[in-house]
Amino acid sequence: NAGVMQNPRHLVRRRGQEARLRCSPMKGHSHVYWYRQLPEEGLKFMVYLQKENIIDESGMPKERFSAEFPKEGPSILRIQQVVRGDSAAYFCASSPTGENTEAFFGQGTRLTVV
Amino acid sequence: KQEVTQIPAALSVPEGENLVLNCSFTDSAIYNLQWFRQDPGKGLTSLLLIQSSQREQTSGRLNASLDKSSGRSTLYIAASQPGDSATYLCAVKWMDSSYKLIFGSGTRLLVRP
Repeated sequence: NAGVMQNPRHLVRRRGQEARLRCSPMKGHSHVYWYRQLPEEGLKFMVYLQKENIIDESGMPKERFSAEFPKEGPSILRIQQVVRGDSAAYFCASSPTGENTEAFFGQGTRLTVV
Repeated sequence: KQEVTQIPAALSVPEGENLVLNCSFTDSAIYNLQWFRQDPGKGLTSLLLIQSSQREQTSGRLNASLDKSSGRSTLYIAASQPGDSATYLCAVKWMDSSYKLIFGSGTRLLVRP
């Protein structure tokens, strides 16, 4: 059973471009969480999704950021018109259910905006 | 506000020492607490998961305890090794937080040979 797969591992974008980060949860997991880690800082929750539904997006910036988890395929975190402040490591986690289950994290996508 | 605090922020010990990392959290209405390890530039590795009904969990040289009433958890590492050097993160899943994990800022551990 492969772990949580994120790609790309590294992504470089120029200011104003779009960044698309993908996350494939572990097999059998229907809950996906996205976190952002700024340099030398902790992990900050962004959004929690189940298949085809956004459950909690309280940590998402109001503009330029969106996330989806379609019925088929990976979860996507999309950042439009990237700025230097978006440079960070973005981590995805998955779990089989919500309440008492263990969350497993991917290796992250390191976004650099130049 | 639901917060997780980890003390100390950094710790340096000689190889072979037993050590304790601390995690405290506001509001005892939790589902579970999870300890992770993060190596520089890498992802998070889950170490131990403690459900709210449990007092402790053990895995090899690691032992995590949970005192929900006081809002505290400790991660005990026995006979530390240089390979244990990493950042250790504590994360809490509260009952009214839509199942998301809230992280502390971590303890950066260095085990000197």
